Amino acid sequence: DVKVTQSSRYLVKRTGEKVFLECVQDMDHENMFWYRQDPGLGLRLIYFSYDVKMKEKGDIPEGYSVSREKKERFSLILESASTNQTSMYLCASSLLDRSNQPQHFGDGTRLSIL
Amino acid sequence: AQTVTQSQPEMSVQEAETVTLSCTYDTSESNYYLFWYKQPPSRQMILVIRQEAYKQQNATENRFSVNFQKAAKSFSLKISDSQLGDTAMYFCASEHTSGSRLTFGEGTQLTVNP
Repeated sequence: DVKVTQSSRYLVKRTGEKVFLECVQDMDHENMFWYRQDPGLGLRLIYFSYDVKMKEKGDIPEGYSVSREKKERFSLILESASTNQTSMYLCASSLLDRSNQPQHFGDGTRLSIL
Repeated sequence: AQTVTQSQPEMSVQEAETVTLSCTYDTSESNYYLFWYKQPPSRQMILVIRQEAYKQQNATENRFSVNFQKAAKSFSLKISDSQLGDTAMYFCASEHTSGSRLTFGEGTQLTVNP
């Protein structure tokens, strides 16, 4: 089974801090994604990456950056955390060749910015 | 751009009964995938069922089936013989086959009552 592991299930940080959310997948997937989940808004794509050191902006990239130094790891960075970034963050991965292969998700990190 | 709309924020059903969750989408692509994902309280996002737009036949997975109306851009999920374990948030999503990005709807919280 594909395993997507997010480093923290719950995280509390303060306004202005630099925050790192880590995601690791064990199935050699090329694609990795970071989503933000908010009530009534569903999941919104922040950034995705289809290869090491490659990244593409999603629908809501403002205030975030990402890093993909190794194929299995994709980090989401909040450069200067703000209270409106309090949310659930979900990481996902998938094969580059998508035929019949869905995205696989981690368990999510519930981030609170105080 | 793709959009996905789920107009039912909450639904409830009695155990063993049938329930249908609605989803409409909009896309300019000629071929694409459609998905239903389930997110139980444990937060693990699980793929329920998928449909390729060029396939006429509605997808079925055990108690889960879809009603795919391509012309109407409608993709509803039917759950038969509802079980307590079906209680979850359900997300409809679309993805065009030339990319890997998912677009999610707002979600429908389904509660199965004993």
